[in-house]
Amino acid sequence: EVQVVESGGGLVKPGGSLRLSCAASGFTFSSYTMNWVRQAPGKGLEWVSSITTTSRYISYADSVKGRFTISRDNAENSLYLQMNSLRAEDTAVYYCAGGWSNHFDYWGQGTLVTVSS
Amino acid sequence: QSALTQPASVSGSPGQSITVSCTGTSSDIGSYNYVSWYQQHPGKAPKLLIYDVSNRPSGISNRFSGSKSGNAASLTISGLQAEDEAAYYCCSYTNRSTRVFGGGTKLTVL
Repeated sequence: EVQVVESGGGLVKPGGSLRLSCAASGFTFSSYTMNWVRQAPGKGLEWVSSITTTSRYISYADSVKGRFTISRDNAENSLYLQMNSLRAEDTAVYYCAGGWSNHFDYWGQGTLVTVSS
Repeated sequence: QSALTQPASVSGSPGQSITVSCTGTSSDIGSYNYVSWYQQHPGKAPKLLIYDVSNRPSGISNRFSGSKSGNAASLTISGLQAEDEAAYYCCSYTNRSTRVFGGGTKLTVL
């Protein structure tokens, strides 16, 4: 059974930092491009970042470039998102999603990040 | 990168067919066959329905189908059922190696 579990969300002040983690099982993690997708309260989905199987290719949405860093550990079947210089508009549920190609096959249930003073 | 354009809402009666449109540009939908569609029920994670324009993952009903023409893609749901009431999102790969979602379409089953 595929399981994708995000953790690390919470309340942080503007300008602060947070590190999200994603633990995956039930599929060959090292063969999948991994992604972070977020959803602000009551809003639609927004792609945040992707990292290929060997971490060779990494991409970011313009809205987070220079502030967020994606990484992965294939030995631990884990994905990470280091978020710095957080803003109120970064408030969202953050989903970890794995995809064989340029789509998202497996999703976690998400972790809520709230940026507020 | 601007979001793909979807209608905010569509509706249909049980048994009918509906189509959700998704309009992009030559930088995304028009250049790649990497259009995917997702279904999201309230409070739940999104679920993959269609990938690479028209392919269904294992376990997805053949009532769901996808297509593409030029810079636009569409999702058709036939034989509407009450449980199809949800939000639907399209997504495309782009020429900047990023991904872009549509704004989402709320489907109401009357």
